[in-house]
Amino acid sequence: RKEVEQDPGPFNVPEGATVAFNCTYSNSASQSFFWYRQDCRKEPKLLMSVYSSGNEDGRFTAQLNRASQYISLLIRDSKLSDSATYLCAVDRGSTLGRLYFGRGTQLTVWP
Amino acid sequence: DAGVTQSPTHLIKTRGQQVTLRCSPKSGHDTVSWYQQALGQGPQFIFQYYEEEERQRGNFPDRFSGHQFPNYSSELNVNALLLGDSALYLCASSVPGVQETQYFGPGTRLLVL
Repeated sequence: RKEVEQDPGPFNVPEGATVAFNCTYSNSASQSFFWYRQDCRKEPKLLMSVYSSGNEDGRFTAQLNRASQYISLLIRDSKLSDSATYLCAVDRGSTLGRLYFGRGTQLTVWP
Repeated sequence: DAGVTQSPTHLIKTRGQQVTLRCSPKSGHDTVSWYQQALGQGPQFIFQYYEEEERQRGNFPDRFSGHQFPNYSSELNVNALLLGDSALYLCASSVPGVQETQYFGPGTRLLVL
């Protein structure tokens, strides 16, 4: 089983839509969780860290479900500029600093 | 405040050659991690350097080696290049700790012919 799994998509949504991505992880000892955004042929850019209580940053909301071992990202009021690949990243608890990435979920927002 | 920088941006090599990639971490960061990202995949961890020592290593062969300098910058060396080494090589810097957040440089795109 892979450390981190994501639905690769693609997700194609109209502007203004709400879209949600899930990411499952295999190691219950994982402590750190992140969402990164990656534009085509660019580096991953940190979008949000994910905390146990859940956190929100503007139109973006991240949730952690330890019991089911998944993290989620909700994007409200989608903009054209949200089109990108969204990568989730998880550590393994015992190997602090080493991140395991999913293969990413591709999002296209159309006008 | 300078972010993570990498050089070169692009590189073309032939099979069997050797390559050295360079990374300067974000100001204030002392830990450097290297990742390989193949097309359509997520980044895969190669290794991490802290205090000039390799702190962790992923499942990459010994052909992949690295170094960290006293100023925290780092190099990734790959020997005996294979076609399958063609990828985007990403450097990330961080400060060690819980919820250690890694910030990526723009990457070096390596093509092996």
